[in-house]
Amino acid sequence: DAMVIQNPRYQVTQFGKPVTLSCSQTLNHNVMYWYQQKSSQAPKLLFHYYDKDFNNEADTPDNFQSRRPNTSFCFLDIRSPGLGDAAMYLCATSSKRGVGPDTQYFGPGTRLTVL
Amino acid sequence: GENVEQHPSTLSVQEGDSAVIKCTYSDSASNYFPWYKQELGKRPQLIIDIRSNVGEKKDQRIAVTLNKTAKHFSLHITETQPEDSAVYFCAARRAGSYQLTFGKGTKLSVIP
Repeated sequence: DAMVIQNPRYQVTQFGKPVTLSCSQTLNHNVMYWYQQKSSQAPKLLFHYYDKDFNNEADTPDNFQSRRPNTSFCFLDIRSPGLGDAAMYLCATSSKRGVGPDTQYFGPGTRLTVL
Repeated sequence: GENVEQHPSTLSVQEGDSAVIKCTYSDSASNYFPWYKQELGKRPQLIIDIRSNVGEKKDQRIAVTLNKTAKHFSLHITETQPEDSAVYFCAARRAGSYQLTFGKGTKLSVIP
């Protein structure tokens, strides 16, 4: 089945130790998104790619970086995780950029714990 | 930018009753309004969406209504079941934009 896959599902890291989360999709969608979701809150968009075009949200900290080496894969790098970065990180994809039926499909998320 | 207000934040209903969740948006250029259901520890899943050229859309027990003039849209769940218990998020997207602006969510509890 076509889907959005995130690895790992659970990640534990130490304060200040870089961590990379990965997302892959078999939907062949142009757009990939990274969201941060903290407990009892709505998902918060960090950035998105339209093909290789990177778009950062204005309030996304510099500590968060992303790479998209090809259509199928996208990575979230947290350079120096702080305790406040503990959250669920959701990857999502959509087929078009704000035109037509471009529903966002979410992956299962990676739960990040910072010790 | 867009601002989406969602009410109520928590809602408890008896099994078989109806549930209604309401959202208002600020940007009159918004034209796409999805609703997501998120069970504890799981991904948000799209349950229904509506575009601004339609006033109402229904899918079995779930319906969404949109009032463009008043800039509000609502989710209606009829004959609620315990498996409907989850957090529901509304969202709005401006025409030509990639970004969904989410409401803060409604925790729905269906009591057997």
